[in-house]
Amino acid sequence: DAGVIQSPRHEVTEMGQEVTLRCKPISGHNSLFWYRQTMMRGLELLIYFNNNVPIDDSGMPEDRFSAKMPNASFSTLKIQPSEPRDSAVYFCASSRPLGWGTEAFFGQGTRLTVV
Amino acid sequence: QKEVEQNSGPLSVPEGAIASLNCTYSDRGSQSFFWYRQYSGKSPELIMSIYSNGDKEDGRFTAQLNKASQYVSLLIRDSQPSDSATYLCAVLSNTGNQFYFGTGTSLTVIP
Repeated sequence: DAGVIQSPRHEVTEMGQEVTLRCKPISGHNSLFWYRQTMMRGLELLIYFNNNVPIDDSGMPEDRFSAKMPNASFSTLKIQPSEPRDSAVYFCASSRPLGWGTEAFFGQGTRLTVV
Repeated sequence: QKEVEQNSGPLSVPEGAIASLNCTYSDRGSQSFFWYRQYSGKSPELIMSIYSNGDKEDGRFTAQLNKASQYVSLLIRDSQPSDSATYLCAVLSNTGNQFYFGTGTSLTVIP
């Protein structure tokens, strides 16, 4: 299996622009997580999906952030408009049905820089 | 109070020594615990999981769990420079619907 695939790996954009991050989970995994990582705050859960349905989006910082999972093999995280404080590494992770013995597998991340 | 707490370090140990990393968690009902390693500029990768009280050994790594004290630790024996990384403790919530991560402990193994 190719693992969790994220694109792009790096994104540099100007403040105010729309940014879309993409994720393909591991086949057969039905839970998908979006995390943001910064030096100051560590790894923060933004939102997670179970069977393509958003379960908890309480970590989404504000309305500028939105996430979708139209099918089991694809998810997007969109920031519109972007701001410099959104600069971070964004990770997507997936897992088998949550429960005993489940672990999360991470993609390589997208390093976002908003200037 | 954060769900998972770790000492951020940095922790420095000489090559060949034992590195000890610690983690506490707040959700008393949690049943699944994980240690991830993250090299600089890379993504977290799972190195150990533990579900029962006691020790679990895998090569040079030993995970220890004490649910009564809500405490998880990771011991790295015969530390190598290649072990230098940030180690993240993760806990699966009691409801089993999300992972909580600590902020990580930075480990440097000095040759």
